[in-house]
Amino acid sequence: EPEVTQTPSHQVTQMGQEVILRCVPISNHLYFYWYRQILGQKVEFLVSFYNNEISEKSEIFDDQFSVERPDGSNFTLKIRSTKLEDSAMYFCASSETTDRVGYTFGSGTRLTVV
Amino acid sequence: GESVGLHLPTLSVQEGDNSIINCAYSNSASDYFIWYKQESGKGPQFIIDIRSNMDKRQGQRVTVLLNKTVKHLSLQIAATQPGDSAVYFCAENTPPGNQFYFGTGTSLTVIP
Repeated sequence: EPEVTQTPSHQVTQMGQEVILRCVPISNHLYFYWYRQILGQKVEFLVSFYNNEISEKSEIFDDQFSVERPDGSNFTLKIRSTKLEDSAMYFCASSETTDRVGYTFGSGTRLTVV
Repeated sequence: GESVGLHLPTLSVQEGDNSIINCAYSNSASDYFIWYKQESGKGPQFIIDIRSNMDKRQGQRVTVLLNKTVKHLSLQIAATQPGDSAVYFCAENTPPGNQFYFGTGTSLTVIP
């Protein structure tokens, strides 16, 4: 069964440092997403991406965040200057069409900012 | 903005019993709903979905019911097994965007 793959599974970084979280969406999917989940809380939408541009973003997705599809397979989330409150699980997801077919989440990257 | 909430934060059931997890949503324009299962340290795992033109959908051991009149969604798990122990989230989507808004989750514990 096709999977969304995320690396690394766990990343520890110092406050103020830049981090890049990586995702490989399902190969025939065209829509990509990042969500985050602070420990013990619900999953929150960050951003959606289609046709090499952001299509929707939440108020959480401020200027510290950026996304990129650097090649034909990877989808990345960059946090420029991490804060303690950025510590969370970050989930990548992808879907095939605008009809949300096959909406699939990865296993997540646990980001710990110290 | 969208709001998806769950009635019960925790639920304990005996193995073999049926489980019912409830969810309320506030956006009447939402037209697609997914139930996700999340095990510790893992990402949300798709269980079953339903579109707003339906009021019931069945899968293997799971049934989702949608009541648009009261904006209520439920997940029924038949013959609950220890492997069903997890946190369950409902998530709603409101077009035209593709993002989902999640509820706070219900923790299901199956007692052997």
